[in-house]
Amino acid sequence: SYVLTQPPSVSVAPGQTARITCGGKNIGNNDVHWYHQRPGQAPVLVVYDNSDRPSGIPERFSGSNSGNTATLTISRVEAGDEADYYCQVWDKSSDRGVFGGGTKLTVL
Amino acid sequence: EAQLMESGGGLVKLGGSLTISCAASGVTVSNAWMNWVRQAPGKGLEWIGRIRSESNGGTTDYAAPVRGRFSISRDDSENKVYLQMNSLEIGDTAVYYCATTVDLVATVLRLAGFDVWGQGTKVTVSS
Repeated sequence: SYVLTQPPSVSVAPGQTARITCGGKNIGNNDVHWYHQRPGQAPVLVVYDNSDRPSGIPERFSGSNSGNTATLTISRVEAGDEADYYCQVWDKSSDRGVFGGGTKLTVL
Repeated sequence: EAQLMESGGGLVKLGGSLTISCAASGVTVSNAWMNWVRQAPGKGLEWIGRIRSESNGGTTDYAAPVRGRFSISRDDSENKVYLQMNSLEIGDTAVYYCATTVDLVATVLRLAGFDVWGQGTKVTVSS
């Protein structure tokens, strides 16, 4: 089955840029979606189809995807961005959804 | 505004069965690809299955850990989706979310992200 690998944690100071990676074999051939999840809350989609933003998501959130790594970039990080972040793709060969293990973003 | 609301979670014995539901408003479940995602305590998200829209055959896909034990169905008259869980294991203890794609521009629904989620319902399997 397809596996997505995320770093367990990323730390960044307010106002700086956070980059969260999602590794997978030839992930560049898939569309990657990103979610954030605050404790006790449902996930929220922040980037879809590699680099598009749903309505209401700030431009500070952007994404890229190439080769074996997809990246979620959060510019001008704010305290409110502190959350768990998950990448997700569809394994097209099996029609199964796959989530990465999640990355805890800490704002210092 | 599309909303989803899960219900029916609770405490169930090992090996038992439970059916949880997802009530939709602002979205017609027969026209949507409806998914179930769970999250075990302190763990990450796990996709467990989906039911395709009626126009795409209404068929289902399941993750390996639940295939053969879990079943997803839909009641169009009530605009609800159900997750029937049989032969429950301790490892099925989790918060169960339903999720779907409603308002994403130029996305392919079969491969889409989920922009609408319910608040989740907790299922605890005890021995």
